Amino acid sequence: QVQLQEAGPGLVKPSETLSLSCTVSGGSIDTYYWSWIRQPPGKGLEWIGYIFYSGSTNYNPSFKGRVTISVGTSKNQISLSLSSVTAADTAVYYCARASSGHYGYWSGSYKKDYYYYMDVWGEGTTVTVSS
Amino acid sequence: DIQMTQSPSSLSASVGDRVTITCRASQSINFYVNWYQQKPGKAPKLLIYAASNLQTEVPSRFSGSGSGTDFALTISSLQPEDFATYYCQQSYSAPPWTFGQGTKVEIK
Repeated sequence: QVQLQEAGPGLVKPSETLSLSCTVSGGSIDTYYWSWIRQPPGKGLEWIGYIFYSGSTNYNPSFKGRVTISVGTSKNQISLSLSSVTAADTAVYYCARASSGHYGYWSGSYKKDYYYYMDVWGEGTTVTVSS
Repeated sequence: DIQMTQSPSSLSASVGDRVTITCRASQSINFYVNWYQQKPGKAPKLLIYAASNLQTEVPSRFSGSGSGTDFALTISSLQPEDFATYYCQQSYSAPPWTFGQGTKVEIK
């Protein structure tokens, strides 16, 4: 059974870079997307971005280029880097596996519609931005 | 960005009640909606994917429906362990994937 575990410093100073890792155990990162999501205290969920196991990425534009998600050299770790942090970046940060499926249909030729869902989550790690 | 609007934001219900939470997308998203349950201090848990597919080991009292812009999560008979916050999420268009603001289900 796949398990995810986030790790990183619980306290980061304003303007510095937040760096977190997500260790994947009990399975391979291959064929999946790996997402980061955060939740500020008392608020809802915000998707940060994802990386496909091959290395392609997709980020939430609201982070304005501050985000980098990468696959670790050990191939069982996913990393998150968020630069120039402010107090607004204080949150619980989750990593999650995104699985996919598809429906096929005919439209001139046979096509596939892919859907994605986050089916395995880490327990989350709390990051506070404060001097 | 596609906005996901849940209603209500909170509700009070009794054990055994039938509960429905709705989610409206700001544009048509076919069937690309997932539903999650989150309990205090815990990570979200996937309940329903692609609008109506029950995730493995999720009780059958949970069901999802809808397509296009309007979606619903229904709990047919509310159990004590179902008191939590529920989120819808669209995966039709990225970036970004977006969540609804959440619906808190409380004990009446």
